[in-house]
Amino acid sequence: GAVVSQHPSRVICKSGTSVKIECRSLDFQATTMFWYRQFPKQSLMLMATSNEGSKATYEQGVEKDKFLINHASLTLSTLTVTSAHPEDSSFYICSARDPLTEAFFGQGTRLTVV
Amino acid sequence: AQTVTQSQPEMSVQEAETVTLSCTYDTSESDYYLFWYKQPPSRQMILVIRQEAYKQQNATENRFSVNFQKAAKSFSLKISDSQLGDAAMYFCAYRQPIERGGSEKLVFGKGTKLTVNP
Repeated sequence: GAVVSQHPSRVICKSGTSVKIECRSLDFQATTMFWYRQFPKQSLMLMATSNEGSKATYEQGVEKDKFLINHASLTLSTLTVTSAHPEDSSFYICSARDPLTEAFFGQGTRLTVV
Repeated sequence: AQTVTQSQPEMSVQEAETVTLSCTYDTSESDYYLFWYKQPPSRQMILVIRQEAYKQQNATENRFSVNFQKAAKSFSLKISDSQLGDAAMYFCAYRQPIERGGSEKLVFGKGTKLTVNP
């Protein structure tokens, strides 16, 4: 099946710094990608929809200035957590839909802010 | 807005036995897609099975099958001959048909943690 690669899988950063997470569709082009956040033992919470060549669409309650999304090409979307704080520590997952089939998910990124 | 409800936070099954996970949803649409995703301890989300609402026939994928009851808005997952590798969180999800201008967004339930006992 289609592959979505997310990098890094784990990252630890200091409070106040920024962290960039990459999401790539390896064998298909994705005009739309999605970014989720998952708290321990909970479901996936959609943060934003990333649209190639245009601004991302954020879900209600998600700070767009804190979670910057860039979808520069049909195979790459990035999520940058700016001025990270310990409460931003979480598991972040991206997904992209193969136009021929269904959505595939990246491996996820565990972010720890210390 | 569409909602997806999984009423069983946890389930357990003996290896080789059969287990059914429940899912109900709420929508005013007549055409849509339903999914079951598996999230093992690695946390990689894996698509298990997909059902198109306009198809009356229940989807099957090897040991996994669904019982889709459109009128009741119910979409349960049956796992036959359970294996240790089936242990995971299972999420039920809903999506509108993109072909008709619907959102590509998936709406997830809260998940059911499945334990398989040897």
